[in-house]
Amino acid sequence: GDSVTQTEGLVTLTKGLPVMLNCTYQTTYSPFLFWYVQHLNEAPKLLLKSSTDNKRTEHQGFYATLHKSSSSFHLQKSSVQLSDSALYFCALSEGTNTGKLTFGDGTVLTVKP
Amino acid sequence: NAGVIQTPRHKVTGKGQEATLWCEPISGHSAVFWYRQTIVQGLEFLTYFRNQAPIDDSGMPKERFSAQMPNQSHSTLKIQSTQPQDSAVYLCASSLVGGSSYEQYFGPGTRLTVL
Repeated sequence: GDSVTQTEGLVTLTKGLPVMLNCTYQTTYSPFLFWYVQHLNEAPKLLLKSSTDNKRTEHQGFYATLHKSSSSFHLQKSSVQLSDSALYFCALSEGTNTGKLTFGDGTVLTVKP
Repeated sequence: NAGVIQTPRHKVTGKGQEATLWCEPISGHSAVFWYRQTIVQGLEFLTYFRNQAPIDDSGMPKERFSAQMPNQSHSTLKIQSTQPQDSAVYLCASSLVGGSSYEQYFGPGTRLTVL
C-alpha cells in the first residue's frame, strides 16, 4: 500500500534560519503530494500541493518540488518565523478518484527567538 | 463560510459505552472524509463518502465502528462499546468533490477520551 516517510520527528531552529523538512513516499499510482500544517489545538490546513514532476510550488514563503525520480516532496523555507512553529504533515493521495490521504508521522517544527 | 463543523469538541465516555460523533461539511462539498489522530499512530484515514454514498471504508476497524451520511449536511461516526484504545482526536474533512487534486478542509476535531 501507499506510505509516506518523514524522517524528522522534531526540528528546532532559531528565527531567521532556513529549514527543510523531508518527505518521501511510495505508491504504485500517479501521486498527488500535499503538505498540511497544524498549529496547536487547530485543524490541519493545506499548505502546498503538487502532482507535477520537477515543478516548484510555493505558498506563504514555503516551497516544495515534487521529484518523482526520487519519490520526494521536501518542504523548505528560507527564513523561518516564530509563527511557523507547528506540526507539519506530508500526505499522499493516489491518482484515482478516492482522494483519501495517507499521512506521514509528522514533523514538529519549533522556532526559537 | 463556517468551515467544517464537528460536535462535540470533547467527549468523555466510560469503557463499554457508545459514542456518536457529528460532522457538518462545508455547504456544497460532496465529499466527506473521517480520520483519526493519535500520538502513536498519527493521522489515519477511516472512511470516505461521496454524494452521501460510502465509497471507501478501508480504514475503519471492522468491529464497533460505523459511519453514515444520511443527508448532504451531516455525517456521523459511531463507536459502540468504546475501549481505551479508541481515545483519539477524530477529524472530519470535506472537499468540493472527491478526487486527489481537491483540497480537503478539516474540522477542528472531536477529542474522544475513553476512561
